Amino acid sequence: EAAVTQSPRSKVAVTGGKVTLSCHQTNNHDYMYWYRQDTGHGLRLIHYSYVADSTEKGDIPDGYKASRPSQENFSLILELASLSQTAVYFCASSDGQANTEVFFGKGTRLTVV
Amino acid sequence: GDKVKQSPSALSLQEGTNSALRCNFSIAATTVQWFLQNPRGSLINLFYLVPGTKENGRLKSAFDSKESYSTLHIRDAQLEDSGTYFCAAEGGMLSGSFNKLTFGAGTRLAVCP
Repeated sequence: EAAVTQSPRSKVAVTGGKVTLSCHQTNNHDYMYWYRQDTGHGLRLIHYSYVADSTEKGDIPDGYKASRPSQENFSLILELASLSQTAVYFCASSDGQANTEVFFGKGTRLTVV
Repeated sequence: GDKVKQSPSALSLQEGTNSALRCNFSIAATTVQWFLQNPRGSLINLFYLVPGTKENGRLKSAFDSKESYSTLHIRDAQLEDSGTYFCAAEGGMLSGSFNKLTFGAGTRLAVCP
């Protein structure tokens, strides 16, 4: 079964500080994604990547950067964290070829104070 | 407007009864996934569908790409079925949603004894 691990699982950050969320997958998948979930809502795509050293903007990229240094690792970076970025962040991966089923990590709860 | 609309937004079921959840798409969906978000927040993969139907135990799902909808049927509901059900659609290569999931807002299901 797909294995996507996120770290940390929860974090409290101060407004204006830098936050890095990390994701590691052992599925040999080409595609990786970062989604955000706000309380009581569905998930929205922030950034994604289909190959190492390249990232693409999703639907809500403002205020976020992403980094894909290898096939297995995908980071989400908040250079200047803001209160509005308090949410749960999910990383995911998919093969992106014949089978595009997406598998999610357990999420990172980020609270910006 | 919402590209993926789920209904109902919330549902309460007596244990042992049946129900159906629905998603309507305003994008040209080529695949659909259904997830259950459990009370701990983890996203559990239920179904990955190309047009057609799949069944797994007490769950059955259908995806009609021509009519742009998908359904999830729950038979003989159990307490452990409680949680939030999300559908998510992936679009074709020309849709801007290729290899990216667009989520609905979810259906909150409570199964009562």
